[in-house]
Amino acid sequence: GAVVSQHPSWVICKSGTSVKIECRSLDFQATTMFWYRQFPKQSLMLMATSNEGSKATYEQGVEKDKFLINHASLTLSTLTVTSAHPEDSSFYICSATGMGGSSTDTQYFGPGTRLTVL
Amino acid sequence: QKEVEQNSGPLSVPEGAIASLNCTYSDRVSQSFFWYRQYSGKSPELIMSIYSNGDKEDGRFTAQLNKASQYVSLLIRDSQPSDSATYLCAVNAWTAGNKLTFGGGTRVLVKP
Repeated sequence: GAVVSQHPSWVICKSGTSVKIECRSLDFQATTMFWYRQFPKQSLMLMATSNEGSKATYEQGVEKDKFLINHASLTLSTLTVTSAHPEDSSFYICSATGMGGSSTDTQYFGPGTRLTVL
Repeated sequence: QKEVEQNSGPLSVPEGAIASLNCTYSDRVSQSFFWYRQYSGKSPELIMSIYSNGDKEDGRFTAQLNKASQYVSLLIRDSQPSDSATYLCAVNAWTAGNKLTFGGGTRVLVKP
């Protein structure tokens, strides 16, 4: 149980284009989803927290207009990197917490999306 | 000052030995504690969670929590080369809206 998927697993795009990453909870309803970014050999950095039906809460220093997050249902959240630039190239990982039992505060991670901006 | 501290390693252990990883945290209201394993280039995967003082065992893994001393540890028994990864300690203060605070991770190398 507690499986989270992400799509795509990797994407290469040209500078200036937008990229959408999907995060889905496959076997549970995710009340909260989190988006992280990880640069090589660095720790996970939380970008934002999203609750179903609400606006996302962004961490300090993360541009909300650049990283658009939508959590439209209890199983789907999307992250759109708008006008991507090479410095946005990174490993983007989502996680989700569910309803009921121990999963209410346990974050289950998706497999990640590797973004390369040329 | 980091809120969750881990020795970055690498912690080198021979195959079959016990690997012992430690983690200290600064926020006394922390309630939930997690260990994740992250292979190079992959996302973290949950090993186990612990909420109460004492030991919790799951297969070859044992987590130990001491809230008074503000530390949580992870023991890996009968270490295998496939256990070579970075182990992340994460702490949830509940008041932070289920956000996790991660340590920097300990890299473990299990040598055959």
